[in-house]
Amino acid sequence: ELKVEQNPLFLSMQEGKNYTIYCNYSTTSDRLYWYRQDPGKSLESLFVLLSNGAVKQEGRLMASLDTKARLSTLHITAAVHDLSATYFCAVGLTGGGNKLTFGTGTQLKVEL
Amino acid sequence: DGGITQSPKYLFRKEGQNVTLSCEQNLNHDAMYWYRQDPGQGLRLIYYSQIVNDFQKGDIAEGYSVSREKKESFPLTVTSAQKNPTAFYLCASSTGDRVYGYTFGSGTRLTVV
Repeated sequence: ELKVEQNPLFLSMQEGKNYTIYCNYSTTSDRLYWYRQDPGKSLESLFVLLSNGAVKQEGRLMASLDTKARLSTLHITAAVHDLSATYFCAVGLTGGGNKLTFGTGTQLKVEL
Repeated sequence: DGGITQSPKYLFRKEGQNVTLSCEQNLNHDAMYWYRQDPGQGLRLIYYSQIVNDFQKGDIAEGYSVSREKKESFPLTVTSAQKNPTAFYLCASSTGDRVYGYTFGSGTRLTVV
């Protein structure tokens, strides 16, 4: 059974600071996704990571994937208030069809 | 514009009642999914369908039922057997190409009254 763990679960940080969210998963995977969710809203796709060593960047967010360590990171650079949201990673099993298993989410609050 | 439409946005259910949540997509996606989200928790898979007239149970299928009679539609029925149905329900679809991941609908918030 695929298990996906994120940490931290809650993160309060000041504007201008850097921080990293971690996503660990338990079995071999061939794809990992990061999503953003604003309160009461749906999920918005941020990054798609498909191979070992993949790195994607968009604005102040950068995601990376280490398939050997079964670890993905979402790095936040110089946080701004607009980044406040819940961030989920989602992992698909190799050969497991299209199903994704989601992490528990990291609730990020960036203080003004 | 292409997308996924979930309705209603808010739904109230009395004890012992069955209710159906609608999910329609015009993206021509083959696969569709239903997830449940509880406060402060991640998404848990209820049912998924990779092709018309076929669907599989996810991790928490008890108390739920689905149908997939058309490619565009994947309704979810929350039956009276689901003892704790209050949650946020999200529908998603995908092409099956791992490059793209899922597209999500806007969700239905179900409350038992």
